[in-house]
Amino acid sequence: DAGVTQSPTHLIKTRGQQVTLRCSPKSGHDTVSWYQQALGQGPQFIFQYYEEEERQRGNFPDRFSGHQFPNYSSELNVNALLLGDSALYLCASSSLGRAQDEQYFGPGTRLTVT
Amino acid sequence: GIQVEQSPPDLILQEGANSTLRCNFSDSVNNLQWFHQNPWGQLINLFYIPSGTKQNGRLSATTVATERYSLLYISSSQTTDSGVYFCAVEPRNFGNEKLTFGTGTRLTIIP
Repeated sequence: DAGVTQSPTHLIKTRGQQVTLRCSPKSGHDTVSWYQQALGQGPQFIFQYYEEEERQRGNFPDRFSGHQFPNYSSELNVNALLLGDSALYLCASSSLGRAQDEQYFGPGTRLTVT
Repeated sequence: GIQVEQSPPDLILQEGANSTLRCNFSDSVNNLQWFHQNPWGQLINLFYIPSGTKQNGRLSATTVATERYSLLYISSSQTTDSGVYFCAVEPRNFGNEKLTFGTGTRLTIIP
């Protein structure tokens, strides 16, 4: 039973560039949430995708966008990168509507913006 | 939004010692999870515990939902227990399944 997978593991980009991060959910899960974790802090919710639509969103600018595919995998896109976007980006999967909606996290993508 | 506070922020213990980590939250919750973040950043699920008590080997957790706190107990600590422990909650609002994380407790186990 494969867990949540993310790619790439590490990424270095320059200010102003665009980046795409990818996530495949745990088998049997249909919901993907994205979190940003800055150094020394807890993860912060970016947005959640279910049935290929953004279901809810945290306090992040429109430069952060996403997509969910029919196979439930998801992408996170960040445009016009800023130095402050440097962080660990975590993807979590769950199954919406289950009585126990435990979230499982992937290993993360560490993004460095120079 | 809901507030989540964890204490202590840092804890340094000798191998074999026991520890108690606390998580306070400001509103009713549907979901509460404890995670261990290893040095590579991976969040490892420890407990899904919106209420009650659970045990898994040397670890156990108790959530008292009516008093809005949860405790994580680690017994006979090992060096592999080192890392940051996060409590995360999902507020009891329909359509709000996002997790709000505390600031974490950094645990260091010394051999």
